[in-house]
Amino acid sequence: GAGVSQSPSNKVTEKGKDVELRCDPISGHTALYWYRQSLGQGLEFLIYFQGNSAPDKSGLPSDRFSAERTGGSVSTLTIQRTQQEDSAVYLCASSLAFWGSRETQYFGPGTRLLVL
Amino acid sequence: DAKTTQPTSMDCAEGRAANLPCNHSTISGNEYVYWYRQIHSQGPQYIIHGLKNNETNEMASLIITEDRKSSTLILPHATLRDTAVYYCIAQHSQGAQKLVFGQGTRLTINP
Repeated sequence: GAGVSQSPSNKVTEKGKDVELRCDPISGHTALYWYRQSLGQGLEFLIYFQGNSAPDKSGLPSDRFSAERTGGSVSTLTIQRTQQEDSAVYLCASSLAFWGSRETQYFGPGTRLLVL
Repeated sequence: DAKTTQPTSMDCAEGRAANLPCNHSTISGNEYVYWYRQIHSQGPQYIIHGLKNNETNEMASLIITEDRKSSTLILPHATLRDTAVYYCIAQHSQGAQKLVFGQGTRLTINP
């Protein structure tokens, strides 16, 4: 079946502009996660959504970052007034996350963001 | 979540078994050991997970010590396509959980 998809695959923007990154999770997955990976660095958690619960935003690096998930499916990560240090690969993952189930996250291919 | 410790890098000859160790001495009773890998320029890929029994699937085997303080991921017949960064993560078993990735082990399979 279809996996997690992300768009765009690559994004080049100018410092100070806003960008929106999209994630389409696997159908039926109730949990959706955003991570980012800066060049040569490990993966860093940003935010996750689980069903109708309030999202866990504990990993967002600043208030320039926000995310929403509409209708329990597609999610958009927005970065306002982009800075050069925002350049990274932004990865989305989804999972079934039923209570009592063992959790496996499935990752998309990522969006490569370059801020000039 | 328990912190895990892995070697920074390892090499293995093609066709041989690759054994990747992971220490998780502070793991709690309800934390599973998960392994993911990330091939260059791709998103992480799930490999296998276990609680206390050894596990095997089509990709790998996972050996967990009896005290659960360490584990080993085994790729039985490594190929060049297994070159990747391998992440060992201790994760609670229930519901949505953010993954805490360390630096992982960079495994290079040599021809």
